[in-house]
Amino acid sequence: DAGVTQSPTHLIKTRGQQVTLRCSPISGHKSVSWYQQVLGQGPQFIFQYYEKEERGRGNFPDRFSARQFPNYSSELNVNALLLGDSALYLCASSLGETDSYGYTFGSGTRLTVV
Amino acid sequence: DQQVKQNSPSLSVQEGRISILNCDYTNSMFDYFLWYKKYPAEGPTFLISISSIKDKNEDGRFTVFLNKSAKHLSLHIVPSQPGDSAVYFCAAKTSYDKVIFGPGTSLSVIP
Repeated sequence: DAGVTQSPTHLIKTRGQQVTLRCSPISGHKSVSWYQQVLGQGPQFIFQYYEKEERGRGNFPDRFSARQFPNYSSELNVNALLLGDSALYLCASSLGETDSYGYTFGSGTRLTVV
Repeated sequence: DQQVKQNSPSLSVQEGRISILNCDYTNSMFDYFLWYKKYPAEGPTFLISISSIKDKNEDGRFTVFLNKSAKHLSLHIVPSQPGDSAVYFCAAKTSYDKVIFGPGTSLSVIP
């Protein structure tokens, strides 16, 4: 059974550009969360979606947006890219909105902004 | 303000010995605590969790201890194996909120 899949795996963008990252959760999982991991730090929460509705938003600017589709896949969009947006973007899925047994993470998308 | 802290960025342990990874938290509302393991070029993998109503949870070689009064938890790995070499993230959550991660501890198990 496929795990959490993210695409693309690597991406290089120029400052000011826009980027869309994609995530497919584990089959049957209805919640998707997005995290940003900068080198040397732990993952920082960006968004959580459950049943296509935003359930939480971290301390990120409005340049970051996301959505969840009827098949529970999700996209993370970042506009007007800054050098500081360079990071590993992780998608995590869970069965429910408040799964206490942890998330299942994808391998991430490595975004480099130059 | 960092709610989950891992004050040791790195730890080296001999194969076969015990690895102890520590974590402190500040939010007394946390009711679940989790440990994740991360290899390079992979996403974090869930390892073990503990509810705030317990003080110990064991799964094979991995045991997590929770001291609520001290707002401290630790992960014990016995015996340590070279394949355990990875970055370990401590994380915490309330029942209806997101998972908050610590900065991680890089564990090296020396053969």
